[in-house]
Amino acid sequence: GAGVSQSPSNKVTEKGKDVELRCDPISGHTALYWYRQSLGQGLEFLIYFQGNSAPDKSGLPSDRFSAERTGGSVSTLTIQRTQQEDSAVYLCASSFPGIGQPQHFGDGTRLSIL
Amino acid sequence: GENVEQHPSTLSVQEGDSAVIKCTYSDSASNYFPWYKQELGKGPQLIIDIRSNVGEKKDQRIAVTLNKTAKHFSLHITETQPEDSAVYFCAASPPGGSQGNLIFGKGTKLSVKP
Repeated sequence: GAGVSQSPSNKVTEKGKDVELRCDPISGHTALYWYRQSLGQGLEFLIYFQGNSAPDKSGLPSDRFSAERTGGSVSTLTIQRTQQEDSAVYLCASSFPGIGQPQHFGDGTRLSIL
Repeated sequence: GENVEQHPSTLSVQEGDSAVIKCTYSDSASNYFPWYKQELGKGPQLIIDIRSNVGEKKDQRIAVTLNKTAKHFSLHITETQPEDSAVYFCAASPPGGSQGNLIFGKGTKLSVKP
């Protein structure tokens, strides 16, 4: 079946521009997570959605980062006024709700800020 | 909050040998521990997971053990093959918070030499 789909797969933009990253979760998965992976590092949690609500935004690194989810499905992560330190791979995962539900990841968006 | 330490950071083995990767966690209330394999340019793929009411779980050449008292868990790969070469991540899921948010180790790069 279809897995988690992320777009674009690669994004190169200039410092100061805004970017929007998209995640299409597995059908039926009400939980959705965004993570950031910097070069050679582990995954850093950003935000969690249950349905359209985001009960945990604790990982967002600054107020330049925001995310939304509509219709309990597609989510977008927006980074405003991008900085070079925002360069990373942004990964999305989805799962059924609750602790211990396996999270399934997309292949990520590789973001490069020039 | 939860902290996950993973070692070694790199591991090189001969084809057919076994590989062991170890992780420790800090929050004794964490109760779900997945392992992910990440190939170059791809998102992490869940390969095995264990819950805190189980001490060991096996799936063909892969096994995971959990020691709740010592707060550590390990991934064991037997009869390694070149296609096992990848970066492996352990993770822990603390209770509360986003109910499923994973805290990841920094990864182990496994190289299997033919």
